[in-house]
Amino acid sequence: SQLAEENPWALSVHEGESVTVNCSYKTSITALQWYRQKSGEGPAQLILIRSNEREKRNGRLRATLDTSSQSSSLSITATRCEDTAVYFCATPYGGSGNKLIFGTGTLLSVKP
Amino acid sequence: EAAVTQSPRNKVAVTGGKVTLSCNQTNNHNNMYWYRQDTGHGLRLIHYSYGAGSTEKGDIPDGYKASRPSQENFSLILELATPSQTSVYFCASGDVANTEVFFGKGTRLTVV
Repeated sequence: SQLAEENPWALSVHEGESVTVNCSYKTSITALQWYRQKSGEGPAQLILIRSNEREKRNGRLRATLDTSSQSSSLSITATRCEDTAVYFCATPYGGSGNKLIFGTGTLLSVKP
Repeated sequence: EAAVTQSPRNKVAVTGGKVTLSCNQTNNHNNMYWYRQDTGHGLRLIHYSYGAGSTEKGDIPDGYKASRPSQENFSLILELATPSQTSVYFCASGDVANTEVFFGKGTRLTVV
């Protein structure tokens, strides 16, 4: 079973709208990361949020973390067509946190 | 500029043949990873490494070997390639705590 899982599986919005992707995880964590993968490219790290943080922002991106419910969200405001991508959450795993485990991703389509 | 370079970018191999996928990073990162990505499965961890000379099994190591001869280089080896190993493979590097992680552009492997 997945240690981290995003939902929904897919989303579609129009440019300018806001959107939220959710992540649930199954292990205690020191940090959670969000990644974006555009078609034909490798994933790119967007935000790292530590277990003692509730919210982290990076431009139009906002990540939240709720360790009590073992969940996180990534919100994107004022979406653009270039935000079209698969969004993953990832958790460091293992005693030293070196094992980086990804969810299956949420496919976001932003239409003009 | 941070960089993870994978070679080759595309490879067609015959069943039963040996395949080596190479990865080089110039980020001076301790951690390196090999993932495969298939539709519906997201990124699945094959092998990873804490540093030169170390390799660890990920979640799906069967049929794969890894080699980390130096800080910069991490190879994935398929001794006897099978069609089920047809996939896109990504290499990544991360600092000690994985606060900074960079991915390569991927290698598309087709085993016929």
